[in-house]
Amino acid sequence: NAGVTQTPKFQVLKTGQSMTLQCAQDMNHNSMYWYRQDPGMGLRLIYYSASEGTTDKGEVPNGYNVSRLNKREFSLRLESAAPSQTSVYFCASSFGVAGLTLPSGNTIYFGEGSWLTVV
Amino acid sequence: DQQVKQNSPSLSVQEGRISILNCDYTNSMFDYFLWYKKYPAEGPTFLISISSIKDKNEDGRFTVFLNKSAKHLSLHIVPSQPGDSAVYFCAASATGNYQLIWGAGTKLIIKP
Repeated sequence: NAGVTQTPKFQVLKTGQSMTLQCAQDMNHNSMYWYRQDPGMGLRLIYYSASEGTTDKGEVPNGYNVSRLNKREFSLRLESAAPSQTSVYFCASSFGVAGLTLPSGNTIYFGEGSWLTVV
Repeated sequence: DQQVKQNSPSLSVQEGRISILNCDYTNSMFDYFLWYKKYPAEGPTFLISISSIKDKNEDGRFTVFLNKSAKHLSLHIVPSQPGDSAVYFCAASATGNYQLIWGAGTKLIIKP
């Protein structure tokens, strides 16, 4: 059972470089999310996609772009990486939109995380 | 301004005893609360949730209590087992708002 799969797991970037984090889910979920987690802080939402073809900003979208390629895939792009973007990134998915359709049982399922270091 | 606070970064409990993890929130519009558990190098996994129309929800060894007047919720694990050692996140949402607001997490260590 793959669930939510994200790649790469580890990446070191130089300031100014670009990269894309890939995410795919096989649970036929409508909604997908990108979060970042920093030490001493909770998960913060970067972008989300309520359904195929739509994307919306979350709490901390600056410096990131996303693409909902199809129902399964949701990628996160850093166009010009900065040291402040050093973090652990989590992709997640749910059947409905967490918050809008909770508490109808729309549990969020997370990938294993991607550790990104920008030097 | 953190709307969801987990004031204890870590908690150490003897195996077999009760573990109590606490979470406070400031936004009175929050009406749904969740607990997630996270092992190292893995993503968070859903543990248990509670709606604001209830004050208690049980699932096996896990019970979540909600005190709306105090804006406080707690997760009780009884009895604590070694596999419970993990980071526990509290999250909250308000109906109509797309976001889940997360606490910073509490690292639970179960001692043998």
